[in-house]
Amino acid sequence: SQQGEEDPQALSIQEGENATMNCSYKTSINNLQWYRQNSGRGLVHLILIRSNEREKHSGRLRVTLDTSKKSSSLLITASRAADTASYFCATGPTISNFGNEKLTFGTGTRLTIIP
Amino acid sequence: SQTIHQWPATLVQPVGSPLSLECTVEGTSNPNLYWYRQAAGRGLQLLFYSVGIGQISSEVPQNLSASRPQDRQFILSSKKLLLSDSGFYLCAWSAVGTGGFYEQYFGPGTRLTVT
Repeated sequence: SQQGEEDPQALSIQEGENATMNCSYKTSINNLQWYRQNSGRGLVHLILIRSNEREKHSGRLRVTLDTSKKSSSLLITASRAADTASYFCATGPTISNFGNEKLTFGTGTRLTIIP
Repeated sequence: SQTIHQWPATLVQPVGSPLSLECTVEGTSNPNLYWYRQAAGRGLQLLFYSVGIGQISSEVPQNLSASRPQDRQFILSSKKLLLSDSGFYLCAWSAVGTGGFYEQYFGPGTRLTVT
């Protein structure tokens, strides 16, 4: 089953506006990551937030994590046409045994920036 | 710098034919390696992952198998393809990062269509 579920499934906004995507997960994690995928391409790592962190910034990206609600959000400020892509959250498990190298990916949010 | 290669980029195969997809990583040693499948407009399904030569973990019982004959080579195979094997196949690698977290780096993917 999917660990992460992104919301909304699709989002269209005007260029220059901010885009917010949410991710909910079910089990305990030690980190959460966000990835971007352009159509027909591989995924690109954007940002990692640890379970003991609440907020992290990278350029125009802002990620928050609420472990009590098992949710995260990705905010892209001042969106550009080039931000059009699918965005996925991925969670890393808390287990320390063999297997904690795995990530579980969500279903993704398809973001379209209208020029 | 590290580079990950996948080939072929596109493949059309008839039902019942064999499959071999190859992934190689350059610029790193002893990476963790992963095979994912992505159905159209969907999230990623982890198929196999490997933490070393000859060490393969299968995540989903299916018609596929994986092998790691060399440290930086990961091969996805099938003896007889099914229609349901169609999809976008992604290879990825990771290494232990700061704090013990595993960011993943993806190849460009192989689009497989089984006819």
